[in-house]
Amino acid sequence: SQQGEEDPQALSIQEGENATMNCSYKTSINNLQWYRQNSGRGLVHLILIRSNEREKHSGRLRVTLDTSKKSSSLLITASRAADTASYFCATAGDSGGSNYKLTFGKGTLLTVNP
Amino acid sequence: ETGVTQTPRHLVMGMTNKKSLKCEQHLGHNAMYWYKQSAKKPLELMFVYNFKEQTENNSVPSRFSPECPNSSHLFLHLHTLQPEDSALYLCASSQTQRESWREQYFGPGTRLTVT
Repeated sequence: SQQGEEDPQALSIQEGENATMNCSYKTSINNLQWYRQNSGRGLVHLILIRSNEREKHSGRLRVTLDTSKKSSSLLITASRAADTASYFCATAGDSGGSNYKLTFGKGTLLTVNP
Repeated sequence: ETGVTQTPRHLVMGMTNKKSLKCEQHLGHNAMYWYKQSAKKPLELMFVYNFKEQTENNSVPSRFSPECPNSSHLFLHLHTLQPEDSALYLCASSQTQRESWREQYFGPGTRLTVT
């Protein structure tokens, strides 16, 4: 399985601090995506990083990808209370017809305290 | 939200009831998905439709029956469900099924409780 697995399961920080979440997966990928989910709502796409990329930025988000270690990290800088949510990584495979499938991990619950 | 709407947002049904979940996307996408999200478990892909054709049934029990009348609408018909089917059911869409480099857009979900 190429299932992504996030670490830690839960993270609690103070507003203004940086938050780092990690994702590990098992098989080769086409790309890796990060999503955010506010409590009981749908997922919102944050950022996509392709297998030939090592780092990507979007606003306060920084994503790294190490395909040799099959791992990725999501860094949120200068966190805000509104960043409180669950964060999921999702991997898209590179094995022919299964490319379209996104396989999600269990997520990291981030709590940013004001 | 993100151009994908789901109704109802909450549903409580008995094990002998029949109900339907509805999803509509206003993004001009051609692929639509049903996912199940249970507590402490990864998001589970249930069904995929691409250009109205079902292309994936991820070993879902027959008490869940999907329907995709056109690329903008997706239904999930429910009958004789079990309590363990209680979960958040999420609908998503993407440009097409085969382009994994594209992100998926999710609806807000239907919180289903089976009593």
